[in-house]
Amino acid sequence: EVQLVESGGGLIQPGGSLRLSCAASGFTVSSNYMSWVRQAPGKGLEWVSVIYSGGSTYYADSVKGRFTISRDNSKNTLYLQMNSLRAEDTAVYYCAKHDSSGWYFDYWGQGTLVTVSS
Amino acid sequence: NFMLTQPHSVSESPGKTVTISCTRSSGSIASNYVQWYQQRPGSSPTTVIYEDNQRPSGVPDRFSGSIDSSSNSASLTISGLKTEDEADYYCQSYDSSNHWVFGGGTKLTVL
Repeated sequence: EVQLVESGGGLIQPGGSLRLSCAASGFTVSSNYMSWVRQAPGKGLEWVSVIYSGGSTYYADSVKGRFTISRDNSKNTLYLQMNSLRAEDTAVYYCAKHDSSGWYFDYWGQGTLVTVSS
Repeated sequence: NFMLTQPHSVSESPGKTVTISCTRSSGSIASNYVQWYQQRPGSSPTTVIYEDNQRPSGVPDRFSGSIDSSSNSASLTISGLKTEDEADYYCQSYDSSNHWVFGGGTKLTVL
């Protein structure tokens, strides 16, 4: 059974850093495309970043240069390092596994809330 | 880059049929597959339609998807509405520049 469990969210001051983790089970993270998707309170879904099975990474313009996606194959875990955080980064962050074609997200975690506020 | 535009909300009575649209701002709707996700309050999204019109196992056949090149839009149709269908629905597609795009979401009220 595929499971994705995010952790690492919390309250952080503007300009601060936070690292989110997504522990996966039931499949191999490094063999799949994996993304982070966020949802601001009361708002819609926003794609944030992807890491391809080959290791290439891409980012939404809103986070490029501040966020870094990575994975630890030995731990079967996905990460999102978030630096220079802003109030507008406040959201629930979901990790999501892509289907085998890569087109869409077939499994989602439960999400972890990041609140950026002084 | 393109945007996907959805109506903010739709409402319909139980047993009826509702259609939610998703219009692509530029480029052809047919150039990349469209997916639809259902998100109930307090829960993570789940896929109800993938690759324009395919249903994952476990999704009832009351849910169907289509695309219309003439209006450059995709549609999610839910027939025989049930109160449990009340949720937010998001369309999603792939931008060929290694980005994924979501529509703004549609709140479906079944009243």
